[in-house]
Amino acid sequence: DTGVSQNPRHKITKRGQNVTFRCDPISEHNRLYWYRQTLGQGPEFLTYFQNEAQLEKSRLLSDRFSAERPKGSFSTLEIQRTEQGDSAMYLCASTVVNTEAFFGQGTRLTVV
Amino acid sequence: AQTVTQSQPEMSVQEAETVTLSCTYDTSESNYYLFWYKQPPSRQMILVIRQEAYKQQNATENRFSVNFQKAAKSFSLKISDSQLGDTAMYFCAFMKLSGGSNYKLTFGKGTLLTVNP
Repeated sequence: DTGVSQNPRHKITKRGQNVTFRCDPISEHNRLYWYRQTLGQGPEFLTYFQNEAQLEKSRLLSDRFSAERPKGSFSTLEIQRTEQGDSAMYLCASTVVNTEAFFGQGTRLTVV
Repeated sequence: AQTVTQSQPEMSVQEAETVTLSCTYDTSESNYYLFWYKQPPSRQMILVIRQEAYKQQNATENRFSVNFQKAAKSFSLKISDSQLGDTAMYFCAFMKLSGGSNYKLTFGKGTLLTVNP
């Protein structure tokens, strides 16, 4: 296991389309986080899973966003009816409690 | 809610010299961690150094050290003997440890550090 893997690395979509991103965490990590990073800003927290349970969602996560982590393994983040304001880097991180968070390389979304 | 402020959007340093990146934070919590993360161009974010708030001793990792001033809520990163590979965006981050924090990170806006040959 070489780290947190995110796919795709880049996604260009037309406004109004749905997109789905995948995150494969480090296998023994039970905690998984999604962050969004826009140009010139630091990452902002979107949502958190402990195993398969989604325990926290940011107010940034509108009704068009949904995340899942079936069986506590990989996670998906879906954005429905994309808007130009959704263009950002979406980062996934995994950890076990009291250790550092390991980040994936991110998925860069461009909505045209 | 916690806030993290990095007041230097960009900095540059000559190779082999020392540079200090600034970070201040605002919180009413007493139990927390502070971090510096490095994000090289087109690569994933990696942890540089971590400081537990209850520890008075400043954390050190090889060429990287912090100056943690808890009362002033200041957490600066010093990079000694700068190397070209240190060129990256550096983020200061806060993690609350109590009260159902879920251990999520609150980041500053980052400082782009360029190391010049």
